[in-house]
Amino acid sequence: EIVLTQSPATLSLSPGERATLSCRASQTVSNYLAWYQQKPGQAPRLVIYDASNRATGIPARFSGSGSGTDFTLTISSLEPEDFAVYYCQQRGNWPLTFGQGTRLEIK
Amino acid sequence: EGQLLESGGDLVQPGGSLRLSCTASEFTFSSYAMSWVRQAPGKGLEWVSVVSPNSGTTYYADSVEGRFTISRDNSKNTLYLQMNSLRGEDTAVYYCAKCDRVTSCRAFDHWGQGTLVTVSS
Repeated sequence: EIVLTQSPATLSLSPGERATLSCRASQTVSNYLAWYQQKPGQAPRLVIYDASNRATGIPARFSGSGSGTDFTLTISSLEPEDFAVYYCQQRGNWPLTFGQGTRLEIK
Repeated sequence: EGQLLESGGDLVQPGGSLRLSCTASEFTFSSYAMSWVRQAPGKGLEWVSVVSPNSGTTYYADSVEGRFTISRDNSKNTLYLQMNSLRGEDTAVYYCAKCDRVTSCRAFDHWGQGTLVTVSS
């Protein structure tokens, strides 16, 4: 099973700042890496797929990068609605796995 | 756009059984693999199972292998999860999720609102 490790566990930033979230895989997943945003009481929402492609309706301030084992989700300038928990997910191999999440909170 | 609506969550005793359903609309259900993902209270996301468009291929997480069965009825646009021998650690919100492409499942581009399963005596 491929283990995804996200860092940091919690990121405290202010609106307007840049956020950088990391996801590291225990073995290569090629570019089969997705990012999700989840707000309290809501289902997850796909943000990035195939490591660097924005999902439908996702603002351009969100970007993804990386391949192999190291991936990054960047939010260029935080808006109030961006504060949430973010999960990475791999489908390089079955079983599909998720990271443990990064909580992005308002400082 | 794609809509998914789960049902069937309930309070069930340890060792009991439950069947979840997920009704799909606004996309061609029969063309996409479908999956179940769960989230225990206050915890992260855990993938549970996936079924191919024609039901020919299924995969399960080790934690549910042999106890849960995923299935689908394309004529009814409905996905199912039969859960047997339930344990306390199966307590979670169960989400139905649509795979992102016809030819494979790399990510989940649509999710239902979730249905809560509580396993407790």
